[in-house]
Amino acid sequence: DQQVKQNSPSLSVQEGRISILNCDYTNSMFDYFLWYKKYPAEGPTFLISISSIKDKNEDGRFTVFLNKSAKHLSLHIVPSQPGDSAVYFCAAASGGGADGLTFGKGTHLIIQP
Amino acid sequence: EAGVAQSPRYKIIEKRQSVAFWCNPISGHATLYWYQQILGQGPKLLIQFQNNGVVDDSQLPKDRFSAERLKGVDSTLKIQPAKLEDSAVYLCASSLMAHVGRSSYEQYFGPGTRLTVT
Repeated sequence: DQQVKQNSPSLSVQEGRISILNCDYTNSMFDYFLWYKKYPAEGPTFLISISSIKDKNEDGRFTVFLNKSAKHLSLHIVPSQPGDSAVYFCAAASGGGADGLTFGKGTHLIIQP
Repeated sequence: EAGVAQSPRYKIIEKRQSVAFWCNPISGHATLYWYQQILGQGPKLLIQFQNNGVVDDSQLPKDRFSAERLKGVDSTLKIQPAKLEDSAVYLCASSLMAHVGRSSYEQYFGPGTRLTVT
C-alpha cells in the first residue's frame, strides 16, 4: 500500500518554462512534506519543505503548494534550467517531521534546451 | 560543513554472505536514519536512531538485518545472511534534532552504498 504516490514517472519541459511535479498521499497522519532532488550515484538532496499548517512555501525558483483536503502537493520550478534535470522525490512524515520519511517512487524531470 | 559520509560506496557479495555498511553523520546531528532504495523505488526507512537509542525499527527485517549507533555518532548496518532481494542502495541520513524546530527536521543524505547480491 503506497502512502505517497507520484503518478508521473517522467516529465519533459522546455528550458525557461514552468515545471510542475505532483504528489498525492493517503495517510492523514502526515503533517510535514518535503521534496528531494537526486542525481545518479548521489544521495537525495533536500530542496524544500512545507508543514501542514501552511499551504504554500517558496524558496527562489521553487514553490511547494499543499492542498490538505485533496491530500495533494505540487512542486513548481520557474524558470526551469538544464541543471534541474534529475529525479525528484516527494516525501512525507508525521510527528511534525520528526519521524522517518515515506517516499514516493520519484519523477524523472528532463529539461530540454 | 562536511556532509554525511558512507562507506563502502559499492559492494558485491554472494547470497548467504554477510556485509556491513558504515555511516558518519553530519557533526552535531542527533538523529540518524538508514534507508533502503531498491531500483525504481523511493527510499524506504529501515531504522531511526535518536542519539544512540532506537526510535523506530518497525520496517527492519530483524532476522537478518541489525544496526547499531554506539556513542551516538557513527552507525553500522549489517546484513547476515544476505539474500538476492537485498540488492539495493543503502542510504544513511541525519537531521539536527527532532522536536527542536521545523528547520531541524530536514534530513541530509549520504551518497549511499550500492549492494549487489549474486
